[in-house]
Amino acid sequence: TQLLEQSPQFLSIQEGENLTVYCNSSSVFSSLQWYRQEPGEGPVLLVTVVTGGEVKKLKRLTFQFGDARKDSSLHITAAQPGDTGLYLCAGTFINTGNQFYFGTGTSLTVIP
Amino acid sequence: KAGVTQTPRYLIKTRGQQVTLSCSPISGHRSVSWYQQTPGQGLQFLFEYFSETQRNKGNFPGRFSGRQFSNSRSEMNVSTLELGDSALYLCASSLAPGVAGELFFGEGSRLTVL
Repeated sequence: TQLLEQSPQFLSIQEGENLTVYCNSSSVFSSLQWYRQEPGEGPVLLVTVVTGGEVKKLKRLTFQFGDARKDSSLHITAAQPGDTGLYLCAGTFINTGNQFYFGTGTSLTVIP
Repeated sequence: KAGVTQTPRYLIKTRGQQVTLSCSPISGHRSVSWYQQTPGQGLQFLFEYFSETQRNKGNFPGRFSGRQFSNSRSEMNVSTLELGDSALYLCASSLAPGVAGELFFGEGSRLTVL
């Protein structure tokens, strides 16, 4: 059983559309991160959120950490083909160092 | 600034053999973590090393082991390989455990067990 569940698992959209990816858990995390992984490469960190209710924006990407620090969402505005990849959320607890619990992943394909 | 380097990138082994994977972290990073990535289970934490000491260990059998050297380079070893060990093994480095928690991943070592 995965600690973090992501939805949807697969997403295929047209260029210019908006989308939201969800990351849910019944556990309370001290911080949560979002990564993007492209084929043949390791995950690359996009953002870290640590405060319940926190919202961070990175160009067309908006990340939100739930008030209770159990869930998060990633919203992409006007998706581009370069956004294609596997999106992963990862949570960690206090005093567990770099032991991150990764979500099940969302595979996004943006069609030109 | 050089990134995280993992070797070998690809390898094929047979059941019962053992394998050693290497990871060179970003210069100045002293924490190295290892993750296993499979289509069915996703990314799962194996272990973390800091200053040559194992800080945390994931829920993997004792066949999986690792170590870290004084220059922060790390190796992981899997003995008595099983078919289910086929996976992408990812190494991640960071300045230190818990410091902003920013992990920098290598490209991984893809292990196939036949």
